Amino acid sequence: EAGVTQFPSHSVIEKGQTVTLRCDPISGHDNLYWYRRVMGKEIKFLLHFVKESKQDESGMPNNRFLAERTGGTYSTLKVQPAELEDSGVYFCASSHPSVDTQYFGPGTRLTVL
Amino acid sequence: LAKTTQPISMDSYEGQEVNITCSHNNIATNDYITWYQQFPSQGPRFIIQGYKTKVTNEVASLFIPADRKSSTLSLPRVSLSDTAVYYCLVGGRGVNTGFQKLVFGTGTRLLVSP
Repeated sequence: EAGVTQFPSHSVIEKGQTVTLRCDPISGHDNLYWYRRVMGKEIKFLLHFVKESKQDESGMPNNRFLAERTGGTYSTLKVQPAELEDSGVYFCASSHPSVDTQYFGPGTRLTVL
Repeated sequence: LAKTTQPISMDSYEGQEVNITCSHNNIATNDYITWYQQFPSQGPRFIIQGYKTKVTNEVASLFIPADRKSSTLSLPRVSLSDTAVYYCLVGGRGVNTGFQKLVFGTGTRLLVSP
């Protein structure tokens, strides 16, 4: 069974540009989560989808971040415009609706110059 | 979600048993205790989860005392490949929504030497 995949693995952009991160959860996992770790900090929750609905977006830092999960399959996280402090590693995780174990992807390392 | 406290780092040698203790004094009645492992450049990986007493799987054991204010992750006979960061997390299960958001602390950096 394929695990959670994320694309790209690494993205380098300039301040003010737009970047879109993609996450493909494990097949059948209705729950999809986004987390991130900025430099020197702990991994922080961003938001949680149940299928295509946002269940909890309390961790989204500001309105420059937009997450979508159309059709309830893969999800995208867009940062527009990117700022220097957005640099870090963005993790996606998914879980089955009846099992609470979250499975993480390898992460996308975002560098904003 | 309850906050956890665990040692910043630990050192061990191959073949030894490693016990990492986590404090969670404010754990709620419906909170579970979950441990994750993370290698460099990878996402966290689920190791074990428990509610009370002892849980064992092929990778580790988790010991939880009756008051549940702490827990101990036990790794038997560690190898060099067990060098990683280990996170202790507590949280409740969401009904029909899967596990709630995970709250990560600083974790324990385990270094296994030859």
